[in-house]
Amino acid sequence: DTEVTQTPKHLVMGMTNKKSLKCEQHMGHRAMYWYKQKAKKPPELMFVYSYEKLSINESVPSRFSPECPNSSLLNLHLHALQPEDSALYLCASSQGAGTSGLEQYFGPGTRLTVT
Amino acid sequence: AQSVAQPEDQVNVAEGNPLTVKCTYSVSGNPYLFWYVQYPNRGLQFLLKYITGDNLVKGSYGFEAEFNKSQTSFHLKKPSALVSDSALYFCAVRAYTGGFKTIFGAGTRLFVKA
Repeated sequence: DTEVTQTPKHLVMGMTNKKSLKCEQHMGHRAMYWYKQKAKKPPELMFVYSYEKLSINESVPSRFSPECPNSSLLNLHLHALQPEDSALYLCASSQGAGTSGLEQYFGPGTRLTVT
Repeated sequence: AQSVAQPEDQVNVAEGNPLTVKCTYSVSGNPYLFWYVQYPNRGLQFLLKYITGDNLVKGSYGFEAEFNKSQTSFHLKKPSALVSDSALYFCAVRAYTGGFKTIFGAGTRLFVKA
């Protein structure tokens, strides 16, 4: 199984709401990632988890809060977002995070709209 | 600084013709290079990678890429394009910048016309 799943597919939320994005993989990968992608732009790295520990935070605002409950699951908790946070949020995984030659497997993404 | 450049925003090719999507890179040390494809409203899919060895790398769906160290390029190629190849293609390099990160190019949109 080389699939990364993400729920929900679409999310519309107000600026005062709290919501969560979920990501799951069953490939035994030990690194998981959150990316933000604006239309027709490349993905921008937000967070990297390696062996369930946060290893990289790309200076992401605190209104985005990642969580890795176990090696298969990755969540992104959202609170008090701004309209400019509207984007496609992609989850990815790879066998590890500490080496260079490993490809990433991406989920289909969650299309987030902040109103 | 580690970077990847895709000089073409868009490439148009007729079905059945060969296609090339260009990529150049700038990294310190050995480059670890990747191509990903993204179809509309979907995540990225891994196509192929160069780590070491043969300069010609074969990947999924009949794609291949040629690593050229002297020109610091890693162009994506396919001998015969299909309409279904129309998508957004990202070249990427994996490099250490305060942690191992994948640095993506800006992307090239490929249109294959029937």
